Amino acid sequence: SQTIHQWPATLVQPVGSPLSLECTVEGTSNPNLYWYRQAAGRGLQLLFYSVGIGQISSEVPQNLSASRPQDRQFILSSKKLLLSDSGFYLCAYRVMNTEAFFGQGTRLTVV
Amino acid sequence: EDQVTQSPEALRLQEGESSSLNCSYTVSGLRGLFWYRQDPGKGPEFLFTLYSAGEEKEKERLKATLTKKESFLHITAPKPEDSATYLCAVQAGGSYIPTFGRGTSLIVHP
Repeated sequence: SQTIHQWPATLVQPVGSPLSLECTVEGTSNPNLYWYRQAAGRGLQLLFYSVGIGQISSEVPQNLSASRPQDRQFILSSKKLLLSDSGFYLCAYRVMNTEAFFGQGTRLTVV
Repeated sequence: EDQVTQSPEALRLQEGESSSLNCSYTVSGLRGLFWYRQDPGKGPEFLFTLYSAGEEKEKERLKATLTKKESFLHITAPKPEDSATYLCAVQAGGSYIPTFGRGTSLIVHP
């Protein structure tokens, strides 16, 4: 069966520190992968998506970057965190443009 | 541009009080409409996919329906455990990106 793992669940980081959030998918090949950010009481903001290894599309210019070093691995990074990077980050995958399946999310607090 | 509007933003029900959530959409070539449930601090959980007008799907107390302009999520005799935010999304043909609505926050009081 297909599963998605996202970690860590919570993270508190100082301003200016680096960030690395990892997401892996099991049980399928060549999924489309997505990183979203969700602010409290608001909808999902798409940050990056990838349709293949090394292929990254950015939807919002910002302090973050994404990479896909392996078929089922998606990483969200930042060299220097800002206070405004705080939020709830979600990774998702889709197969053949069908429904998306989400990880459990990472609550990032930048202090 | 694809758009999804969910209403109401928030809904409070008494246990057993049936109601419906609305998802209005405009999309170029609908390939699928998706419903999700999201509990606080968790990722959205997939509920249903609807592909064409007239289609209906059911799961326990939930039934999703689809027309050419909107979808409804009907909740029959809700229980407190149905309290969550319900998200709707649409997939347009030729796009890799689903468009999400902002969700309806449902609270069911015992």
